[in-house]
Amino acid sequence: QQQVKQSPQSLIVQKGGISIINCAYENTAFDYFPWYQQFPGKGPALLIAIRPDVSEKKEGRFTISFNKSAKQFSLHIMDSQPGDSATYFCAASGPGNNFNKFYFGSGTKLNVKP
Amino acid sequence: EAQVTQNPRYLITVTGKKLTVTCSQNMNHEYMSWYRQDPGLGLRQIYYSMNVEVTDKGDVPEGYKVSRKEKRNFPLILESPSPNQTSLYFCASSFQTGTSHEQYFGPGTRLTVT
Repeated sequence: QQQVKQSPQSLIVQKGGISIINCAYENTAFDYFPWYQQFPGKGPALLIAIRPDVSEKKEGRFTISFNKSAKQFSLHIMDSQPGDSATYFCAASGPGNNFNKFYFGSGTKLNVKP
Repeated sequence: EAQVTQNPRYLITVTGKKLTVTCSQNMNHEYMSWYRQDPGLGLRQIYYSMNVEVTDKGDVPEGYKVSRKEKRNFPLILESPSPNQTSLYFCASSFQTGTSHEQYFGPGTRLTVT
């Protein structure tokens, strides 16, 4: 059973628009939810992360919204730029000694059109 | 420069021929992981290590071995590679603070098994 489900698979947004990527998780014990950004030919890099004790976290143009009761979290990219074009992965891990055991979503390829 | 290095970056081999992919980090991180990335499946964790001589299975450990004899190195071993292990492999190292657990990924190793 897939622990983290991500949608959409691909997304096209106009420059200046809002990009929204959604993830749903199965295990209510997960306690760490990061988003990673990956450019072609590179390894993923941490973009932003949240713990379930808060409902929202914002860093610059990137915001995570977290809904514990629905077991869902989403990434919002405000004022999307062509340089944001990349593949985005959500993930989940935890709790306790399982904090280094990660489950990733299947990825969303974002294309921001100039 | 803080980094995770992997070697080789590209490898083509034949079924059954043992191979090792090396991973090294210079950030003194305690935690290290191996992932494979396949289209439509995202990243799946193969093995992870909490410290020297401490390793545990991730989501897809079958057909792989790891060892952690030194803190900086975490090699991935395929004793008898098969075509279904053709994939893009990433090593990652990480540390944990009170609220964050940031993973730093290597550049990837593209493995083809014929």
